[in-house]
Amino acid sequence: QKEVEQNSGPLSVPEGAIASLNCTYSDRGSQSFFWYRQYSGKSPELIMFIYSNGDKEDGRFTAQLNKASQYVSLLIRDSQPSDSATYLCAVIRYNFNKFYFGSGTKLNVKP
Amino acid sequence: DVKVTQSSRYLVKRTGEKVFLECVQDMDHENMFWYRQDPGLGLRLIYFSYDVKMKEKGDIPEGYSVSREKKERFSLILESASTNQTSMYLCASSTTGQTGELFFGEGSRLTVL
Repeated sequence: QKEVEQNSGPLSVPEGAIASLNCTYSDRGSQSFFWYRQYSGKSPELIMFIYSNGDKEDGRFTAQLNKASQYVSLLIRDSQPSDSATYLCAVIRYNFNKFYFGSGTKLNVKP
Repeated sequence: DVKVTQSSRYLVKRTGEKVFLECVQDMDHENMFWYRQDPGLGLRLIYFSYDVKMKEKGDIPEGYSVSREKKERFSLILESASTNQTSMYLCASSTTGQTGELFFGEGSRLTVL
């Protein structure tokens, strides 16, 4: 079983819609959760992190964490073509040093 | 701005060659990481280091070694490159803590012929 699982996509949404990206993790000891965005040919860049159950909002982005169900999601409101990228979910386990990444979900936002 | 610099963006090497990938960070981060990224497999951790001269194996350390002689520098070494090591290699650094963000370098695309 993989540490972090994501649907590879592609997920296609029209411009202006809400994009919903999901991630599940296997280790209940995971403590912090991250969403990275990676444009083609570029390095990942951090969008948001969350470590408490519930929602965390930052502009058009909302991260949701449910530790009981071991999933974390990212909602992108008012999706733009510039949001088209691969979104990587990452978790840190109890020792805080080691990050585990999902294989990423490719998002296409159509104009 | 945090900067993680990888010495080479593109390398082409032959099977059996020794390959050095260098990474330098300028934010005094304790932790440094080497990942490889392959289509459909995502980011896989090769090695990481949480202090000078300290290293720990990640998920796929076979065929690789690392060196961290100074806090800001973390090197990945392929002792004898093989074609299955053709990949994108990403270096990253972070501080220790619950919300420690990973900062990535631009990546080094290695092709082994």
